[in-house]
Amino acid sequence: TQLLEQSPQFLSIQEGENLTVYCNSSSVFSSLQWYRQEPGEGPVLLVTVVTGGEVKKLKRLTFQFGDARKDSSLHITAAQPGDTGLYLCAGARGSARQLTFGSGTQLTVLP
Amino acid sequence: GAGVSQSPRYKVAKRGQDVALRCDPISGHVSLFWYQQALGQGPEFLTYFQNEAQLDKSGLPSDRFFAERPEGSVSTLKIQRTQQEDSAVYLCASSSSFVRFDRAVNTEAFFGQGTRLTVV
Repeated sequence: TQLLEQSPQFLSIQEGENLTVYCNSSSVFSSLQWYRQEPGEGPVLLVTVVTGGEVKKLKRLTFQFGDARKDSSLHITAAQPGDTGLYLCAGARGSARQLTFGSGTQLTVLP
Repeated sequence: GAGVSQSPRYKVAKRGQDVALRCDPISGHVSLFWYQQALGQGPEFLTYFQNEAQLDKSGLPSDRFFAERPEGSVSTLKIQRTQQEDSAVYLCASSSSFVRFDRAVNTEAFFGQGTRLTVV
């Protein structure tokens, strides 16, 4: 059983559409991060959220951390082909420094 | 260097062969992590170092896996007698994380490009 469940697993949309990716858990996380990974590369950090209810915006990307710090969402507005990639959420629990990753959402944005 | 560097990028090993994967973390980062990533999946934690001390190796799948970081900088992940199920991408990450009031902070991890291991 995955500690962090991501949905959907796969998403294929047209350029210009909006989308939301979800990351859910029954566990509380002290912080949660979103990464994007392209083929043949390591994950690249997009954002870190640490406070319950926190919302962060990064250009067309909006990240939200749930009030109870158990879930998060990533919303992309007007998706572009350059947004294509594997989106991973990852959380740190308590004093543990290693990250627990979700299974990822593979996003494909078609031109 | 500016980022986390891993070598080799690709490794093909015959079943039963030993392999060694190298990670050069970001200078000054005390925390170093090894993760294993299967195709299309999220990375799975293998082991964690704080400086030269291996504080957590709970994710290592078997005693064939061994990691070291003798001088608190470069790390090596060694896999003995490789099996086909060891085929995966091995990712190294470093961070400046620390614990404050029983809560880990600065947990952002900076990843290398990974080593793709194929066991044939």
